[in-house]
Amino acid sequence: AAGVIQSPRHLIKEKRETATLKCYPIPRHDTVYWYQQGPGQDPQFLISFYEKMQSDKGSIPDRFSAQQFSDYHSELNMSSLELGDSALYFCASSLAGGQPQHFGDGTRLSIL
Amino acid sequence: GESVGLHLPTLSVQEGDNSIINCAYSNSASDYFIWYKQESGKGPQFIIDIRSNMDKRQGQRVTVLLNKTVKHLSLQIAATQPGDSAVYFCAENVGGGADGLTFGKGTHLIIQP
Repeated sequence: AAGVIQSPRHLIKEKRETATLKCYPIPRHDTVYWYQQGPGQDPQFLISFYEKMQSDKGSIPDRFSAQQFSDYHSELNMSSLELGDSALYFCASSLAGGQPQHFGDGTRLSIL
Repeated sequence: GESVGLHLPTLSVQEGDNSIINCAYSNSASDYFIWYKQESGKGPQFIIDIRSNMDKRQGQRVTVLLNKTVKHLSLQIAATQPGDSAVYFCAENVGGGADGLTFGKGTHLIIQP
């Protein structure tokens, strides 16, 4: 079965640079979620979109923004990157604004 | 804010035995709970979920129990196999819709041969 696709899988940036992470949900899924997971930590919810509208907002820094496009894929834009932004970033998707959420394998972001 | 938590960071089990992973939650408004398995280098993988109007749900080799009185959730894995080695997270959702999940601290399940 098709899963959530995230790209890139690995990304290396320097401080103060910008980064864009992409998420392609499971076919027919219209809801996407973004999470950040630090080393040895549990995933922390950032933001979600349902039918291209922001649905819920978690601990997303003001330096980050996200959107969902007409084909339901989503992008997480990160600016003025800091060392503390180094983490795994997961995207999840679900159907019709409901549960359960199905996760991709993440983007590992390293800030040098 | 309130969050979901786990009692033990590491659980070591003999292959073939049953495993029980526990989770305590403090938000009485939570109405949806879910267990994920996360292997190294991968994203959380859905195992089983349960809504607050149920107290037990069974899947293939897994059972989730919900005790709303003491705000406790558990995941039982029958006949544990080496492939069950992973970090297990419980998570909650208040509202049930397109809201983010609040994850508890993971339990690392280690299978002894």
